[in-house]
Amino acid sequence: AQKITQTQPGMFVQEKEAVTLDCTYDTSDPSYGLFWYKQPSSGEMIFLIYQGSYDQQNATEGRYSLNFQKARKSANLVISASQLGDSAMYFCAMRERTGGFKTIFGAGTRLFVKA
Amino acid sequence: EAGVTQFPSHSVIEKGQTVTLRCDPISGHDNLYWYRRVMGKEIKFLLHFVKESKQDESGMPNNRFLAERTGGTYSTLKVQPAELEDSGVYFCASSQEKMNTEAFFGQGTRLTVV
Repeated sequence: AQKITQTQPGMFVQEKEAVTLDCTYDTSDPSYGLFWYKQPSSGEMIFLIYQGSYDQQNATEGRYSLNFQKARKSANLVISASQLGDSAMYFCAMRERTGGFKTIFGAGTRLFVKA
Repeated sequence: EAGVTQFPSHSVIEKGQTVTLRCDPISGHDNLYWYRRVMGKEIKFLLHFVKESKQDESGMPNNRFLAERTGGTYSTLKVQPAELEDSGVYFCASSQEKMNTEAFFGQGTRLTVV
């Protein structure tokens, strides 16, 4: 069964606008962490933001925020004021305590920012 | 602080040959992971070391893949003999034994089997 689902293979957004990248997850472990990574064309994996399963507030890091809806098991990434440099692949990921802390990834969403 | 480093960055080999990928994790990180991304597909987990022990190798595709982590420091991933479908980008990551810390990734090794 899919643990992390990203249903948007590709997204377009106009520069300076906000965009939401969807992510849903599946786990029975009460203790887990959710992550978003960015992979630009250069190939490196860049950590963006983290949300813990027990965190009461949504995580924010600069222009990135995570819309965490625990009951719905969703962890959408919101990028505000998109920039051309935001064009990249974005991966949602999860770590579970029962999974030995290994990080598992969704299929990714490719974001295109238009000038 | 040095990040996760991987060698080589690129490798082109012929089908049937052997290739060994190396990963040096961040110092002090007991957890080391190998992942693979085949072109256009998701990042797939291969295996997980805790120090020198294999915690989970459920993602290893077959017995042509052998991973080791000598002394709990650097790790190698050997593919022998390589097949065309082994082409992809192999990522190594390391992390501390904490839920709320991210895994730090190396730059990846792009393997092309021709």
